[in-house]
Amino acid sequence: AQSVTQPDIHITVSEGASLELRCNYSYGATPYLFWYVQSPGQGLQLLLKYFSGDTLVQGIKGFEAEFKRSQSSFNLRKPSVHWSDAAEYFCAVGGGNAGNNRKLIWGLGTSLAVNP
Amino acid sequence: GAVVSQHPSWVICKSGTSVKIECRSLDFQATTMFWYRQFPKQSLMLMATSNEGSKATYEQGVEKDKFLINHASLTLSTLTVTSAHPEDSSFYICSARGYVMSLHFGNGTRLTVT
Repeated sequence: AQSVTQPDIHITVSEGASLELRCNYSYGATPYLFWYVQSPGQGLQLLLKYFSGDTLVQGIKGFEAEFKRSQSSFNLRKPSVHWSDAAEYFCAVGGGNAGNNRKLIWGLGTSLAVNP
Repeated sequence: GAVVSQHPSWVICKSGTSVKIECRSLDFQATTMFWYRQFPKQSLMLMATSNEGSKATYEQGVEKDKFLINHASLTLSTLTVTSAHPEDSSFYICSARGYVMSLHFGNGTRLTVT
């Protein structure tokens, strides 16, 4: 079955600390992987995506993620968290051979709180 | 960058009335748009896939007669919640497929049915 698991429902870190948000997926084909961020009451913004090539991808706002096929993971990292990073983070996976109407499979999200 | 405008951002309506939510891709053409519903502290639930010029594809369990979707042009899709009831109160988000499989999201619509 296709699924995305974000094991951590809620994470709290101190400002300036490093951050890693976990994402594991189960997908039958070559996965396209995404991380989105949602601020309260807002839509979602794409942080980064992985399609192929270098397994370490750089995104906006200083985020990066590493695709590890052997572990079926696509963890999001940031070396130094800012208070403005407090938000909900969603991992999603989609496929490249599903036709034009490719749907993404979403994780349940990780809520990030940042302590001053 | 690709911008998706969703309107209104919030709406309050009385039970039994209908509400229309618009989703526009402002600087790109979107043959496919998606409509989601999001409950508090939860992930997005895909309601339907909207295709320009054809009928929407609804996910299992979503009432097509209640949630009417129209994708009349390459830049506009609308979701109409018909005969709204308090249980329809939710946060509705649209997204439009842009280039290279990226999805661009609107800022959502908070619907409250009284």
